[in-house]
Amino acid sequence: QQPVQSPQAVILREGEDAVINCSSSKALYSVHWYRQKHGEAPVFLMILLKGGEQKGHEKISASFNEKKQQSSLYLTASQLSYSGTYFCGTEGWNNNDMRFGAGTRLTVKP
Amino acid sequence: DTEVTQTPKHLVMGMTNKKSLKCEQHMGHRAMYWYKQKAKKPPELMFVYSYEKLSINESVPSRFSPECPNSSLLNLHLHALQPEDSALYLCASSPGQGGGGYTFGSGTRLTVV
Repeated sequence: QQPVQSPQAVILREGEDAVINCSSSKALYSVHWYRQKHGEAPVFLMILLKGGEQKGHEKISASFNEKKQQSSLYLTASQLSYSGTYFCGTEGWNNNDMRFGAGTRLTVKP
Repeated sequence: DTEVTQTPKHLVMGMTNKKSLKCEQHMGHRAMYWYKQKAKKPPELMFVYSYEKLSINESVPSRFSPECPNSSLLNLHLHALQPEDSALYLCASSPGQGGGGYTFGSGTRLTVV
């Protein structure tokens, strides 16, 4: 089942902050965050696991509220390179696959 | 080097053709996936091959069929496709549930004429 993402689009000036939200009606094992630039494949940003573990490789933070099955991605002091479409992806407990949300198009302007 | 390699990068095929998309991962991952992505839409899961078990999204038509010759290769066989099947086809691999992120290949841009 596809998670619900919001907002659909965000426009920022360099240095501004943004928050992208993701929620699911099903119990989640993990939440992933990806960024996709035009004409390229999605790139992994971060994974959040039930129990609070977090694995990622970029200086972007995220949270996972297990009770509400919600996750938020925090982009602070945005840079031009942050522009792209951000997808959350969710894994359930009983399956080894990931379904993507509809995406949030982020535009950072100088 | 790209750790998930997809070939070809572009493919144009007629509705009566048979073709295959190939994907190879060099990461030692135990799970591989095929996703389909239309313009301005999220990737949609088609197939999962995980720990030697194939899982199919029931909404995927039978004109798509996956094949996993070994744990590092995942092919997608195409036959009798329709123009609406034109899309970007993405292959990905992962360590398994909760083990880390998915690594995507650069995709095959498929056009059905």
